Amino acid sequence: GQQVMQIPQYQHVQEGEDFTTYCNSSTTLSNIQWYKQRPGGHPVFLIQLVKSGEVKKQKRLTFQFGEAKKNSSLHITATQTTDVGTYFCAGARSMEYGNKLVFGAGTILRVKS
Amino acid sequence: DAGVTQSPTHLIKTRGQHVTLRCSPISGHKSVSWYQQVLGQGPQFIFQYYEKEERGRGNFPDRFSARQFPNYSSELNVNALLLGDSALYLCASSLSGDYGYTFGSGTRLTVV
Repeated sequence: GQQVMQIPQYQHVQEGEDFTTYCNSSTTLSNIQWYKQRPGGHPVFLIQLVKSGEVKKQKRLTFQFGEAKKNSSLHITATQTTDVGTYFCAGARSMEYGNKLVFGAGTILRVKS
Repeated sequence: DAGVTQSPTHLIKTRGQHVTLRCSPISGHKSVSWYQQVLGQGPQFIFQYYEKEERGRGNFPDRFSARQFPNYSSELNVNALLLGDSALYLCASSLSGDYGYTFGSGTRLTVV
């Protein structure tokens, strides 16, 4: 079945440093979504990428979708303590109605102030 | 406007028992999905419902079932509970199921 691999598993950075997490799917995706989950919380939707090669920015966050629609990345510039949490990518496969999301295992981000 | 609400928030059950988890989607959202999140892992897809019909099923045994009601709320039922069913069960709603989901806070199920 479809698998979504995410690396690294864990990253600990100094406040102000940059952070990147990578996501790779074993199959071509209809779209990819990114979620953030704070410790003890639930996933919160960040963004959805649909087009091949798409790049989207949200303030210090930059999201990319690969040309083959099988890989994606999230880059955070100048991390802050509020960025702490687990970042999940979720590859979407189309069903008759809506999408089935296959989540990666997530990247845990810790920020030292 | 209320978000996705789930009940109960926490639950402790004994092996072999049955459990029902409930979810109310955001008003106007017709698609509800259920996910299981084991500690340290990403959410795993269980079911998707749209307009009261099952539209997708993940790789879970038949002990797991769900339904969606006319008001678009949903229930997830798990029979013959196993220790391995201990997890955070997340409900997510979406307008049509093809854009980003809004997750509820989840139900933490512990099977002892």
